[in-house]
Amino acid sequence: KQEVTQIPAALSVPEGENLVLNCSFTDSAIYNLQWFRQDPGKGLTSLLLIQSSQREQTSGRLNASLDKSSGRSTLYIAASQPGDSATYLCAVRYGGATNKLIFGTGTLLAVQP
Amino acid sequence: GAVVSQHPSRVICKSGTSVKIECRSLDFQATTMFWYRQFPKQSLMLMATSNEGSKATYEQGVEKDKFLINHASLTLSTLTVTSAHPEDSSFYICSARRDTRREAFFGQGTRLTVV
Repeated sequence: KQEVTQIPAALSVPEGENLVLNCSFTDSAIYNLQWFRQDPGKGLTSLLLIQSSQREQTSGRLNASLDKSSGRSTLYIAASQPGDSATYLCAVRYGGATNKLIFGTGTLLAVQP
Repeated sequence: GAVVSQHPSRVICKSGTSVKIECRSLDFQATTMFWYRQFPKQSLMLMATSNEGSKATYEQGVEKDKFLINHASLTLSTLTVTSAHPEDSSFYICSARRDTRREAFFGQGTRLTVV
């Protein structure tokens, strides 16, 4: 069964800290992996998309890495800000007829001012 | 990125009535649309996948007669919750994709409350 797990489930850090969110997936035959941000009661904002052939992607203070062989991805947030507080979801896309996204369990991040 | 519009953003309905949620791709033609459901403090669970002009494919455990999905055009998919019950109250999110090689874009979600 294709499952995606995120650790930790919740994280609280003081402003300015660098932090790492983890995502693991059971089936390494992925097409790509995507990190999203979700604010309370809102939809999803795509942060970074990593293709299966890539090892990392960067956007501003965000850096996402991908290690297919070990079934892991990390999202690194540098110099965290209170505005980064949200739920972060990773989603894995597999091939096949529907190419559907399977979402992880999410990490609720709180950055304290 | 591409824009996916979902409407309404919030809806309250009485038990036993039906509610329709629309998902539109505004600046691209979506061959595939996905419908997700999200319970409070939980992740997104895929309900069904719809391809334009064909019947939706439902995930295991999702009642196709209760959650009617129509993808009649390349820019519009609808989810109708029929005979809604309080346990159907949830956050519903759609996503749309141009083709299998491209990423999917998400709507802003619909908060459904059944009273």
